[in-house]
Amino acid sequence: GQQVQQSPASLVLQEGENAELQCNFSSTATQLQWFYQSPGGSLVSLLSNPSGTKHTGRLTSTTVTKERRSSLHISSSQTTDSGTYLCAIDTGNYKYVFGAGTRLKVIA
Amino acid sequence: DMKVTQMPRYLIKRMGENVLLECGQDMSHETMYWYRQDPGLGLQLIYISYDVDSNSEGDIPKGYRVSRKKREHFSLILDSAKTNQTSVYFCASSLVLGQGVSGNTLYFGEGSRLIVV
Repeated sequence: GQQVQQSPASLVLQEGENAELQCNFSSTATQLQWFYQSPGGSLVSLLSNPSGTKHTGRLTSTTVTKERRSSLHISSSQTTDSGTYLCAIDTGNYKYVFGAGTRLKVIA
Repeated sequence: DMKVTQMPRYLIKRMGENVLLECGQDMSHETMYWYRQDPGLGLQLIYISYDVDSNSEGDIPKGYRVSRKKREHFSLILDSAKTNQTSVYFCASSLVLGQGVSGNTLYFGEGSRLIVV
């Protein structure tokens, strides 16, 4: 079945530093989304990026479909960025498979 | 207002009891999902619904069933709950824009925490 691997599992940054999160998947993805899960548990979509590079605010996602990998770059991290970042892949039937996530902690 | 609402948010049940988790969305999205999330794991798909009475198993459907009689409502039913079904359950909905199209965003509810004792 489809596997989604995220790295690193956890990351601690000083405020202002940049973060680079990785997502690797084992088969072709027609859709790829990055999600943020707050410490309280709520989930929100950050970016939908099946291929190429997308920017929104301080976030940049680059997906290289044929290499089956995506990255999420967070620039100038803030304490409010702390939480878990999840990558999810749709293999073509809208059944999204999620990675285990990267837990980010930003320290002031 | 784009919102996915889950009820109840917290629930404690005894083993063997039936559980009903309900989900509603106000966006007329065709596709709805039920996931569960356990510590250290990502979200695991239980069921997906493509529209009214058009449901499909996800990766872990055993012990669960679903009902979708109206587009805006999607229910998850546990007949005779088991302790290993203790988890946080998330409902989501999505407007399907097409294959490979950027923007098929999933909107999640706040989660329902179920404890089976």
